[in-house]
Amino acid sequence: GDSVTQMEGPVTLSEEAFLTINCTYTATGYPSLFWYVQYPGEGLQLLLKATKADDKGSNKGFEATYRKETTSFHLEKGSVQVSDSAVYFCALRYFGNEKLTFGTGTRLTIIP
Amino acid sequence: SAVISQKPSRDICQRGTSLTIQCQVDSQVTMMFWYRQQPGQSLTLIATANQGSEATYESGFVIDKFPISRPNLTFSTLTVSNMSPEDSSIYLCSGRLQGTEQYFGPGTRLTVT
Repeated sequence: GDSVTQMEGPVTLSEEAFLTINCTYTATGYPSLFWYVQYPGEGLQLLLKATKADDKGSNKGFEATYRKETTSFHLEKGSVQVSDSAVYFCALRYFGNEKLTFGTGTRLTIIP
Repeated sequence: SAVISQKPSRDICQRGTSLTIQCQVDSQVTMMFWYRQQPGQSLTLIATANQGSEATYESGFVIDKFPISRPNLTFSTLTVSNMSPEDSSIYLCSGRLQGTEQYFGPGTRLTVT
């Protein structure tokens, strides 16, 4: 079946460091790919998405590119801030199907 | 966009009892969803709830254990019945507006002793 694998956390970085959170997927078809973020005490929020191969999703300085050849959707940010501290979830969903398949989440902590 | 709230935010319950979790959306949403996040694991979809019809359960989840109500377009409840320690999880609801992705509530952290 379909699955999403994320790098294990927690990840701790200093402010202004470069961030990469790895995400790979296994899918029988061609799903859309998502990154969700959960800030402390809040619900998951959609951070960015990509719907087809080579698409790049971006938001709030974060980027991720849909790589079909490596079945990956790694999240990157060039310079993290303390306010980026949160749990990040990679997920996939097929067009026309509501079911989201999530990874286990990666807790990110940014220290000043 | 939509803002989703859940009650309670957390609870500690004894085995054999039941807990009903409420999910309120500030907009009318066509579809609502219930997820479970067990410790150290990913979110797993329990069921999809549409107004006026029975919820659709995913493999491994049954109505007797997780009855769901969806009385209107802004509200849903999930009951965790006859609880055991294995039901200790975070339970999240989400809703989807037409043309958008799912919006999530903050979750209900349940501990069963």
